This record gives sequence, C-alpha cells and structure tokens, in this order.
Amino acid sequence: EAGVVQSPRYKIIEKKQPVAFWCNPISGHNTLYWYRQNLGQGPELLIRYENEEAVDDSQLPKDRFSAERLKGVDSTLKIQPAELGDSAVYLCASSLNLQGGQFFGPGTRLTVL
Amino acid sequence: GESVGLHLPTLSVQEGDNSIINCAYSNSASDYFIWYKQESGKGPQFIIDIRSNMDKRQGQRVTVLLNKTVKHLSLQIAATQPGDSAVYFCAEMNQAGTALIFGKGTTLSVSS
Repeated sequence: EAGVVQSPRYKIIEKKQPVAFWCNPISGHNTLYWYRQNLGQGPELLIRYENEEAVDDSQLPKDRFSAERLKGVDSTLKIQPAELGDSAVYLCASSLNLQGGQFFGPGTRLTVL
Repeated sequence: GESVGLHLPTLSVQEGDNSIINCAYSNSASDYFIWYKQESGKGPQFIIDIRSNMDKRQGQRVTVLLNKTVKHLSLQIAATQPGDSAVYFCAEMNQAGTALIFGKGTTLSVSS
C-alpha cells in the first residue's frame, strides 16, 4: 500500500514569490494534517482536515498561507508571498481518524532566498 | 501549556547495545503517545504508540514504557543496529485530542 505522497520534494524560490505543495494521503484516511518542521525541531501543526473540512487552522498564518482539500482526498498548501522565515520542511500526514496514528509523507523542503 | 521534551539531544551507542531514549511530557491529561523515527531527508516514521491505560507496549525490537506518575515516556531499542541511526521524537496528543505535540528530538548514532 502506498504511503503519503508529497510533491515536490524540494523547492527553491525567491522571497515574495508564491509556492504550492501537494499531498495525497493514504487511501481511506479521512484526517489530513499539514505540519511545518524547522531545522532541528519537531513538526508543528499548521492545519488539520476532517474529510474536506478544515477543523483546526489556528496555527496557520492566514495572511499568507492557505490550504484546501476540495474533494476530501488530496490537499494543497499555498504560501503567497513567501518570506525568508518560511524556509522549512512542510510535512503532510494522514490518519484513519482523529484517534488513529498519524503517518507522514517525505515532506517538501522549501528554501526561500 | 502543553509541551513535550526529551532529556538528551544526542545518544551514541555501539552496535548490538540496547538503547534507551527518554521523554518527559507536561500534560497529565494526555492519553496517547507516539514515538517516531526520522531519517535524514525523510518524514517521521511511526514506530510505536501507547495509550495511557497501558504502562508498556512491545513491538519488534522496540518497547515503549509509560510512567504516568512522573509523566515520563521511554523508547527502548534492543540490539541497536546502524540502521537505527536517526532522530527520534516522542509526540503527545494535545489536551483537546486534536493534534500531536512533538518534542525536539534525540539524535541516535550507532557505531559499528
């Protein structure tokens, strides 16, 4: 069974440019998470989806970050415009439900110059 | 607030030794914990989890111990192998039961 798929794996952009990350969760997993991981730190939750509904986006910087999961399967996280401090690894995870273990994708490493 | 921390940022062991990675958590109401392994350039990989109604849970070469009295979690790896070298994170389910709170991680280095 395929795990969580993310693309691209790496992205280098200049500040003020937009960027988007894509995630396809494990088949059948209703809950999808986007995390940001800074160097040397653990992942920090940005947003959580239950099917197509964003049920926890309290940590998402809404002035520049947006996310969607239109059909309740794959999801896109966007940053516009990107800032230097956005450089990090953006991880997507999914779980069968809120009580289940979360399984992570390989992440997208973003570098903002 | 809620926070999860690890006692040591790095741990170095010889191949074949047993490894113990420790984690202290602050939220006594937490009832679900997970250990993750993260290799360079990869996402965190689920190792083992435990719920607060258990004190111990065993997997293949790994054991997680939970001491709710002192809010302490540990991961024991038996017969550590070079492939076990990675950063290990403990994660705690937040009080609302909606998100995992990760600690900073312990880097395990296994030498042959």
